[in-house]
Amino acid sequence: DQQVKQNSPSLSVQEGRISILNCDYTNSMFDYFLWYKKYPAEGPTFLISISSIKDKNEDGRFTVFLNKSAKHLSLHIVPSQPGDSAVYFCAASAQGTYKYIFGTGTRLKVLA
Amino acid sequence: SQTIHQWPATLVQPVGSPLSLECTVEGTSNPNLYWYRQAAGRGLQLLFYSVGIGQISSEVPQNLSASRPQDRQFILSSKKLLLSDSGFYLCAWGQGPNTEAFFGQGTRLTVV
Repeated sequence: DQQVKQNSPSLSVQEGRISILNCDYTNSMFDYFLWYKKYPAEGPTFLISISSIKDKNEDGRFTVFLNKSAKHLSLHIVPSQPGDSAVYFCAASAQGTYKYIFGTGTRLKVLA
Repeated sequence: SQTIHQWPATLVQPVGSPLSLECTVEGTSNPNLYWYRQAAGRGLQLLFYSVGIGQISSEVPQNLSASRPQDRQFILSSKKLLLSDSGFYLCAWGQGPNTEAFFGQGTRLTVV
């Protein structure tokens, strides 16, 4: 049972344009959501998070949007840079638990 | 500042051999600790997590076990490795609900 889903395994974007990575979840108890960036043979690096009491959180070029009614979140990267090329994972945590459930990842390729 | 150490970086082990992967965290106390596995082309699967010394929660029935002998030490073990145990193993720590988790650099395990 995949509670966190990233249905696009890959995405290619031109440098300078917007990258939009999507994530869907099924567990209505999830109340905290995170995005991570991962390079090959390295551990994931935390990018940005959002609590379920918000619908948007912004940090520099990264913005996360949360649509609770649709159980959907997205990560926007503007402008995209070649160094952003990596696998992006969304993750979720449910209230009262300490577990982080990850999606399967989306490989972003930013073309110069 | 907090750091997480995970070793070894790579490991090649024969089928049927034992396994011990170690993870330590510095600069924090009473962290929540996690073991994840990323199989080839797959997402991050939570294997074990621990909220305190000697407290281990297992997420997936498997050939592996985990132990937390000290507050900031988390060990992943197996008595007899299977081919299917191959993958990229990641240790992580967090400080509680609605906070991010931080990952180590990972161990690439190849069972031959």
